[in-house]
Amino acid sequence: GAVVSQHPSRVICKSGTSVKIECRSLDFQATTMFWYRQFPKQSLMLMATSNEGSKATYEQGVEKDKFLINHASLTLSTLTVTSAHPEDSSFYICSASTGGNQETQYFGPGTRLLVL
Amino acid sequence: RKEVEQDPGPFNVPEGATVAFNCTYSNSASQSFFWYRQDCRKEPKLLMSVYSSGNEDGRFTAQLNRASQYISLLIRDSKLSDSATYLCVVNPGGGNKLTFGTGTQLKVEL
Repeated sequence: GAVVSQHPSRVICKSGTSVKIECRSLDFQATTMFWYRQFPKQSLMLMATSNEGSKATYEQGVEKDKFLINHASLTLSTLTVTSAHPEDSSFYICSASTGGNQETQYFGPGTRLLVL
Repeated sequence: RKEVEQDPGPFNVPEGATVAFNCTYSNSASQSFFWYRQDCRKEPKLLMSVYSSGNEDGRFTAQLNRASQYISLLIRDSKLSDSATYLCVVNPGGGNKLTFGTGTQLKVEL
C-alpha cells in the first residue's frame, strides 16, 4: 500500500515558538493532502485541505495565519504551527490521496506536539 | 446533531466472541463510507470500505443502510489483536473530504 511519512514524530517546544511538521508521500504522487488534529478521546478533525501548487482550504474555525500550510510539490506538504501555545498541544496527522472523488486517503503516522 | 455518531464503548468481549458496532450519519447525501481502525497513539488505518450491498473481508462484515443512515461493522471470532478503536468514516460528498466519528473502543480479553 501507499506510504506516507511524517516528521518529526513528536516535538516538545516552548510557548511562543513555531513548529514545522512535514508530510511526505513516499511512493506515490499526492495531488491532495489533508491535515487533521486529534485531541485525546476525540475524533480526528480536519483542519485544512491542500492541493499541490495552490493555497490550502481551511475548515471553519481554523486560523490560516496560525496554521500555515505549504504544498510545494506532489510529495511534500508542511504544516507550521506559528507562535504555539499549550492549547495547540495535540496529535497532528496528515493524509494524502491521489485526488478525485472518493479516493482512499493514506495516513501518516502522526506528530505529537506538546507545547509547554 | 453530530455528523457521524458512534457509541464510544468500551466494548469488553472475550476472545472468540462476535461483536457489532453501529454508526449513524446525518447527511443523507453522503456518498461513501469506511471503517478505520486506530490503535492507541497511532494513525488510523483503513479496515474496509462499506458498500451498499454489504461486504465481507475475512472475519469482518460491513453493512450500510441508506434509508436509516447507519453503518455497521461485525467482527466474528474476536482476537486479542482486534483490540483497538474503530472509527466510522463518511465522505459527505462533493470531494474527498472525510468526516470521522469519535470511535468505538473494543477490548478483547482472554
